Amino acid sequence: NAGVTQTPKFQVLKTGQSMTLQCAQDMNHEYMSWYRQDPGMGLRLIHYSVGAGITDQGEVPNGYNVSRSTTEDFPLRLLSAAPSQTSVYFCASRPGRTSHGGYTFGSGTRLTVV
Amino acid sequence: KQEVTQIPAALSVPEGENLVLNCSFTDSAIYNLQWFRQDPGKGLTSLLLIQSSQREQTSGRLNASLDKSSGRSTLYIAASQPGDSATYLCAVMDSSYKLIFGSGTRLLVRP
Repeated sequence: NAGVTQTPKFQVLKTGQSMTLQCAQDMNHEYMSWYRQDPGMGLRLIHYSVGAGITDQGEVPNGYNVSRSTTEDFPLRLLSAAPSQTSVYFCASRPGRTSHGGYTFGSGTRLTVV
Repeated sequence: KQEVTQIPAALSVPEGENLVLNCSFTDSAIYNLQWFRQDPGKGLTSLLLIQSSQREQTSGRLNASLDKSSGRSTLYIAASQPGDSATYLCAVMDSSYKLIFGSGTRLLVRP
């Protein structure tokens, strides 16, 4: 099993460009989340999903869109990148509400917006 | 709003020492608590998961305790090694199954 796979690992964008950060998990987990990690700010929740077709906003959702058309995939879209979105992005997943399992994290995408 | 605090922010110890990392949270209504390790430039590796009904969990040289009523958890590392050098993150899962993270403890174990 690959676990949680994030692509790309590194990306440089120009201000105003758009892109999609990919996240896929092969553990049949219902819950998936996106976090960003910034120095001095810790990890903050951007968006999360409790199942296919269901998404909700986290602590810092502005500038990001998500969708969950399948259980496996949870892409994060930046519609018009800004320098403030320079960060390391982590995707995570866990089993559904009937499970006591914890979260598994991907290896991250390091994004620089210039 | 749940807030998670980790003390100390940084710690430097000689190899072989036993050490304790602290985590506190403001809302005791948690689902579980998870300790992670993060090496520089890498992702998060789960170390231990404690359910809200449990008092402690052990894995090798690591032992994590949970006192939900006082809003505290500790991560005990026995006989520390240079390979333990990393940032250790504490995260509580709320009733909506979202993780709220502390800012981490950066550990350096000197040979």
